[in-house]
Amino acid sequence: DIVMTQGALPNPVPSGESASITCQSSKSLLHSNGKTYLNWYLQRPGQSPQLLIYWMSTRASGVSDRFSGSGSGTDFTLKISSVEAEDVGVYYCQQFLEYPLTFGSGTKLEIK
Amino acid sequence: QVQLKESGPGLVQPSQTLSLTCTVSGLSLTSNSVSWIRQPPGKGLEWMGVIWSNGGTDYNSAIKSRLSISRDTSKSQVFLKMNSLQTEDTAMYFCARMGANWGQGVMVTVSS
Repeated sequence: DIVMTQGALPNPVPSGESASITCQSSKSLLHSNGKTYLNWYLQRPGQSPQLLIYWMSTRASGVSDRFSGSGSGTDFTLKISSVEAEDVGVYYCQQFLEYPLTFGSGTKLEIK
Repeated sequence: QVQLKESGPGLVQPSQTLSLTCTVSGLSLTSNSVSWIRQPPGKGLEWMGVIWSNGGTDYNSAIKSRLSISRDTSKSQVFLKMNSLQTEDTAMYFCARMGANWGQGVMVTVSS
């Protein structure tokens, strides 16, 4: 199984500052078709996960352009520019290159 | 508008079988796959299994021996059955078209 490892944030993050969340996979998620099979989600308290980014760097419909995804085949970053109160929650990376689908353990964002 | 909604008993006794239903609207089960994902209280996300558009299934090897996913395309419903439940199976259970469409989840507590 592909293991996804997420980094922590130096919480709380001051409102208006940027925040970067890291994720590492145990196997390259870069397919021969040139696409990287990585999603990012935000799970707000009491809600189901919301897709933010797919194919490592493509924003999902309706997602603020304050969110951006980048990376290589095994190392990924979700950047939130100018964090806001509505960004509070737990962020998960998830690979969909292989089954079983696997998630990172989550990174909590708190706002000051 | 794609919607998924989970339903089932909130409380299951240890060693018993869990039966959940995911009712979908706005998408065809013969053209889309549906996954089940669970989340123990305060913990991360675990992909459980998927039923493909052709009716085939794949399961997480950790729970494969206890899990069965099926569907009724005429009712737009996907079913999860998991036997030999233990307290560690207490979790929020989600169905999802992986990526952008998740249900709200149903909380299942395993307790006598």
